[in-house]
Amino acid sequence: EDQVTQSPEALRLQEGESSSLNCSYTVSGLRGLFWYRQDPGKGPEFLFTLYSAGEEKEKERLKATLTKKESFLHITAPKPEDSATYLCAVLPGANSKLTFGKGITLSVRP
Amino acid sequence: EAGVVQSPRYKIIEKKQPVAFWCNPISGHNTLYWYLQNLGQGPELLIRYENEEAVDDSQLPKDRFSAERLKGVDSTLKIQPAELGDSAVYLCASSNSVTDTQYFGPGTRLTVL
Repeated sequence: EDQVTQSPEALRLQEGESSSLNCSYTVSGLRGLFWYRQDPGKGPEFLFTLYSAGEEKEKERLKATLTKKESFLHITAPKPEDSATYLCAVLPGANSKLTFGKGITLSVRP
Repeated sequence: EAGVVQSPRYKIIEKKQPVAFWCNPISGHNTLYWYLQNLGQGPELLIRYENEEAVDDSQLPKDRFSAERLKGVDSTLKIQPAELGDSAVYLCASSNSVTDTQYFGPGTRLTVL
């Protein structure tokens, strides 16, 4: 069974304090790993897709990396507007069922 | 380009009442998904459509939940009768045949009293 574990559950940072969010996964043949951002009362917003170990993608202050067992979402010099829940999900090669982790709630204080 | 549209955004009903949610996917997206999201959890798939066909409904509680996607575009998810435990956010997502990326709508927050 596909599993996704995200840590920590919650993270509080000071503005400008860089950090990383972890996503550990077990999946039968990874077809893709996805990162989403979710604001309160809204649906998940797509950020990145990673397909193979060693791949990296960047968008503004965010950088996502992938190994064979985990993915990291690095946040460089975060701002209060980066406060949200960040969801990680895996798509196996055998079907199209996306399995999500519980998410990491990030709070950035000014 | 318009995103995934869902309505209503909020719904409050008494237990045992029926309720329906509507979703309009991104234009040209042939795959449509309904997810359930409980507080503090990630979304969980209820059903997946490829055009008009439900290709994965293994997680849909068929005794009270039903869904349809007539003409392969809009979709409706229904609960009848609703139970207290059905209180959650119901998300709709869509994707096309070129990439695996799923794009989500804003969700419908259901409260069952």
